[in-house]
Amino acid sequence: QVQLQESGPGLVKPSETLSLTCAVSGYSISSGYYWGWIRQPPGKGLEWIGSIYHSGSTYYNPSLKSRVTISVDTSKNQFSLKLSSVTAADTAVYYCARRPTVTTPFDYWGQGTLVTVSS
Amino acid sequence: DIQLTQSPSFLSASVGDRVTITCRASQGISSYLAWYQQKPGKAPKLLIYAASTLQSGVPSRFSGSGSGTEFTLTISSLQPEDFATYYCQQLNSYPSFGGGTKVEIK
Repeated sequence: QVQLQESGPGLVKPSETLSLTCAVSGYSISSGYYWGWIRQPPGKGLEWIGSIYHSGSTYYNPSLKSRVTISVDTSKNQFSLKLSSVTAADTAVYYCARRPTVTTPFDYWGQGTLVTVSS
Repeated sequence: DIQLTQSPSFLSASVGDRVTITCRASQGISSYLAWYQQKPGKAPKLLIYAASTLQSGVPSRFSGSGSGTEFTLTISSLQPEDFATYYCQQLNSYPSFGGGTKVEIK
């Protein structure tokens, strides 16, 4: 059974960098598939942040591209998100998830982690 | 950018009702559309992909149809566990989601 688990600070100060990690179990990232991040501000809808292929190729939401970096560590079977220069508008539940191909949806999701941007 | 517009944004229905949710794309996306169900405090759950293919384990009362720019999600007989928010997602270009449809008990 594939499982994903997000981890990272729940509180980040404005202008700083948000950093999250997604640990994957039940499947080896190096075997393939795309791995992504999605966020959801409290009471609002879903927004795709970006995805990374197991080889390291990345795809970012154009609206966030200048601030986002997604990387993969196949030795630890995990991938990470960095979002720089955060503001209160970046407060959200952040989910990590898996996509089999670039044209298929996310079939496995983490439980999500709330990140609040506040001083 | 491809925009997805869901309607209605809110729906009140009773157990046993037939429910239909519409998702319209701002440009043609072939059949690259998925539907998710999300309950409060939980991650979205994939229901349908490729516009009409039921994800493994999803009850057959859920069905999807459409192609191009107009898509529908139908629940043939609403069950108590189906009260949730539903999102469509297009995968023709970078993934984007519709605004959601909240299904509540009448």
